[in-house]
Amino acid sequence: AQSVTQLDSQVPVFEEAPVELRCNYSSSVSVYLFWYVQYPNQGLQLLLKYLSGSTLVESINGFEAEFNKSQTSFHLRKPSVHISDTAEYFCAVSGSGGSNYKLTFGKGTLLTVNP
Amino acid sequence: DTEVTQTPKHLVMGMTNKKSLKCEQHMGHRAMYWYKQKAKKPPELMFVYSYEKLSINESVPSRFSPECPNSSLLNLHLHALQPEDSALYLCASRPGLAGSNEQFFGPGTRLTVL
Repeated sequence: AQSVTQLDSQVPVFEEAPVELRCNYSSSVSVYLFWYVQYPNQGLQLLLKYLSGSTLVESINGFEAEFNKSQTSFHLRKPSVHISDTAEYFCAVSGSGGSNYKLTFGKGTLLTVNP
Repeated sequence: DTEVTQTPKHLVMGMTNKKSLKCEQHMGHRAMYWYKQKAKKPPELMFVYSYEKLSINESVPSRFSPECPNSSLLNLHLHALQPEDSALYLCASRPGLAGSNEQFFGPGTRLTVL
């Protein structure tokens, strides 16, 4: 079984400031890791994923996350945020073997970008 | 087509009504999911279908009845719901139950039970 901890339930920042949203996971097996974003009144959109290979993964809109196996972390970062990045961000983990049907989500971090 | 669509967008129903939620994808995915999401919470898994067969039921009350008529379509039939069932209902799909578990989500149906 897996679990995910998102340490910050809310992160307020000013526009153009850097941001880090923290995610730690627990698993007894190898994992896949995901960040999903949910804008108000919308469904979840995949922001980025770690499956294997390079531990640094990037999205098309400037976010990046680094898989750190020793610290069991997958923190999300952006060097300069925009008002439009205001949303709920969910970190999720899945086992990488067998019939891995379940995504285990963290409780979410609400990122609020202020002008 | 890389989308998961859901209808209706909003639904208001009484506790004695029967209604259905619909989800559709044309990506050739063979696994489809229903989730329930309460405000300010992560999605909670309800059902998983694989190759049109129910694979997982996460102990969901029988007033929720899923159906997968074909590989592109997933329904959720609702009957005798309670006000606490009010939530955002999300559908998701993925290519199959093996592999990366990257799931593609629809926009959801906002359900209000009066």
